[in-house]
Amino acid sequence: DAGVIQSPRHEVTEMGQEVTLRCKPISGHNSLFWYRQTMMRGLELLIYFNNNVPIDDSGMPEDRFSAKMPNASFSTLKIQPSEPRDSAVYFCASSHPQGTLNTEAFFGQGTRLTVV
Amino acid sequence: AQSVTQPDIHITVSEGASLELRCNYSYGATPYLFWYVQSPGQGLQLLLKYFSGDTLVQGIKGFEAEFKRSQSSFNLRKPSVHWSDAAEYFCALLPGTYKYIFGTGTRLKVLA
Repeated sequence: DAGVIQSPRHEVTEMGQEVTLRCKPISGHNSLFWYRQTMMRGLELLIYFNNNVPIDDSGMPEDRFSAKMPNASFSTLKIQPSEPRDSAVYFCASSHPQGTLNTEAFFGQGTRLTVV
Repeated sequence: AQSVTQPDIHITVSEGASLELRCNYSYGATPYLFWYVQSPGQGLQLLLKYFSGDTLVQGIKGFEAEFKRSQSSFNLRKPSVHWSDAAEYFCALLPGTYKYIFGTGTRLKVLA
């Protein structure tokens, strides 16, 4: 398996523009996570999907952020409008639960977002 | 409260020396614990995990970790560090079904 695939790897955009980050989870995994990593705050869980349904979006910073999972093999994280403070590395991760407990999360290589 | 503490932000060791990275957790029940490694510009890769059973867990790349319930610790060890081990290491706790709690990471530097 190719692992979790994220695109683009790097994104530079101007403040106010819309940014869309994409993720393809590992086939067969039914849990998907979006994380944000910054020096100041470390790894933050933004949103968690299970079977394509958003279960926990309490980590989404504000209404400018939205995430979708239209099917089991694709998810997007959108920021509209983007702001310089959104600059960070965004990771997508997926896992396959064993029974009622998730096993380890498998991470993509991340998208480094720079908003200027 | 559930939490993970990695007391060392930076650690420097010489190549060939032994390594121990500390991780302490706070959780009232049986913890599910992980160590991940992140190389520069890369995602997090799982080194090893503890769910139950043997408290000494073997992982990839020659790493091992020991779960000590009495000390609420899950320290990562390697007997002989290689230059390629330079990276950032994250300890993580899974207290429920999905919400992983990550430590703040320990950045390892390896001297030639």
